[in-house]
This record gives sequence, C-alpha cells and structure tokens, in this order.
Amino acid sequence: EIVLTQSPGTLSLSPGERATLSCRASQSVSYRYLAWYQQKPGQAPRLLIYGASSRATGIPDRFSGSGSGTDFTLTISRLEPEDFAVYYCQQYGSSPLTFGGGTKVEIK
Amino acid sequence: QVQLVQSGAEVKKPGASVKVSCEASGYTFTTYYKHWLRQAPGQGLEWMGMINPSDGSTSYAQNFQGRVTMTRDTSTSTVYMELTSLRSEDTAVYYCARSYGAVHFDSWGQGTLLTVSS
Repeated sequence: EIVLTQSPGTLSLSPGERATLSCRASQSVSYRYLAWYQQKPGQAPRLLIYGASSRATGIPDRFSGSGSGTDFTLTISRLEPEDFAVYYCQQYGSSPLTFGGGTKVEIK
Repeated sequence: QVQLVQSGAEVKKPGASVKVSCEASGYTFTTYYKHWLRQAPGQGLEWMGMINPSDGSTSYAQNFQGRVTMTRDTSTSTVYMELTSLRSEDTAVYYCARSYGAVHFDSWGQGTLLTVSS
C-alpha cells in the first residue's frame, strides 16, 4: 500500500499570499496518477487536479499541480477567501487507492 | 448536470448492518465506476471499494473484505453499499463518488452520516 504524507499539517497564510502544499509517497506513483482535492467543512471533497498537473473542469488557474515519482506539490498562486479549506492528495497508480492525511490552509 | 444523491443519515447498534444508496443522474450510469469512501469525524478519507455498474463486478479494499458488499440497479441508476457487523469505529460520513478510467473522483455524493452506538 502506498502511504501518502502531506506537509505541513496546517498552513497559516493571508489572502493574496502563495500556498505551497507537499505530498510525498512511500513509493513511486505510477504514471503520475496523483490527484488533489479541496474539502470545506460539511461538504464533500472537490476534485482540483488529476494526473499530477491537469486542472479539473471549472478549477481556476491559480491552482496548479506538479511533481512525479514520490514528490508532488499543489500550489495556489494567490489565495482567495474561498480557498481556505483542507486539501488532500490521492494516488490511484496502485490498489488500494490511498489518501494523504490532509493540509489545512487557514487564515492567518 | 451530474448528480449523485445519497440516502439519509442512519443510526445503528453494534453488530447491525446498514445499506446506503447512491442514485446517479445527468450522465450514462454504466459509463462510470462508482466508489465508496468514508471519513471518520475529524479524520481523513478512506477508500472502501468500487463497482463497475456495467457488469456489477467489484473490488474491495482489504480492510473491508468480508464486511462490505456493493451492488447496483441499472433500472434506477442506483448503487448500494452494505456494511455488516458494525462497530463504533464505523461511525463516519460515507460518500459515493464516480470515476471514469483512471481512478480520480470527479463527482461526489453529499455524504451519509452513519452513527454506530449502543
């Protein structure tokens, strides 16, 4: 099973700042099969990025993903008020599908 | 538009079973795999397994083997997840989600809260 470790656990930033979230895998993720999700309290997760760097439909271009192998990054170029939430990475290169523990982006 | 609508909250006693439904609309039901995931209070996401609505084939996470059964009804575009031998640690929000091809989840149900308590 691939274990995904996200860091930091919490990121305290102000609107307009840049957010950089990390996701590290215990072994290489095949074909860059890595996705990122945003989750707000009381809501289901929302797909942001798939294939490590492809934005899902309707996702603003301030969200970008990068990385390969075992190291992946989600970057939010300029935080908007609605971006404060919890972010999860997920790998689908091998079964079982697994998620990271999440990074909470909170208002500083 | 794509919608996945789940059944309502459930309260069960330890040892009981629960069956949660997820009705799909807005797309061709058999084209997309359906998955079940759960999220314990204040915790992260856990994948439970998936079903191919086209032929009913399933794949379950090892943690749930023997306790979970996923089925589908193509006439109503609904998938079901049954979990047996419930224990308090099964208290969580259960989500259905769909995927096409490579397994990332592009649409989710609203979630169903299951509370297991004596």
